[in-house]
Amino acid sequence: AQSVAQPEDQVNVAEGNPLTVKCTYSVSGNPYLFWYVQYPNRGLQFLLKYITGDNLVKGSYGFEAEFNKSQTSFHLKKPSALVSDSALYFCARRAAGNKLTFGGGTRVLVKP
Amino acid sequence: EAGVTQFPSHSVIEKGQTVTLRCDPISGHDNLYWYRRVMGKEIKFLLHFVKESKQDESGMPNNRFLAERTGGTYSTLKVQPAELEDSGVYFCASSQEYQNTEAFFGQGTRLTVV
Repeated sequence: AQSVAQPEDQVNVAEGNPLTVKCTYSVSGNPYLFWYVQYPNRGLQFLLKYITGDNLVKGSYGFEAEFNKSQTSFHLKKPSALVSDSALYFCARRAAGNKLTFGGGTRVLVKP
Repeated sequence: EAGVTQFPSHSVIEKGQTVTLRCDPISGHDNLYWYRRVMGKEIKFLLHFVKESKQDESGMPNNRFLAERTGGTYSTLKVQPAELEDSGVYFCASSQEYQNTEAFFGQGTRLTVV
């Protein structure tokens, strides 16, 4: 079965430092990959997606992600984290029927 | 443009009672999905509507869960009777096209069964 893994339950980073949230996927076909973010008391918000084309995908709020086929990874990155980036981040993969398979989520805490 | 809206935002019910969750998708979105996150675990797919038809209900946990989308607009998810393990956050999402487009999520309904 297609799956997505987020190996870190929580990531702590100081404001202004680079932020990386890791995601790996199981090898099966051509993956369509997504990142979503959930701010406190809010719904899931779409950040970016990889369907095909350039391996580096740019998304909302200054985030980007790099699709790495050899490492089966799709890590989310931001060059300089803000306190307001503190949230729950989910990596997801499109499965059959266009439904999404999610990773377990990574809580990001950006400290001032 | 209004986003996906869900009602209620929170619901606390006793075991054995019935609860109905509602989702209003983005206008014009034929695809509507229900997901659930239980006890801080992964967000799990429940089912998928295309207009008023159930395209995929493989994620529905058991027959205590009933989803409808009459007229292809809003959808309801009824849990009857509710059990303790049904507690969690229920998300609804909608998308316009079938392939390759991102889904837009509502804020979720937090269901607590006591």
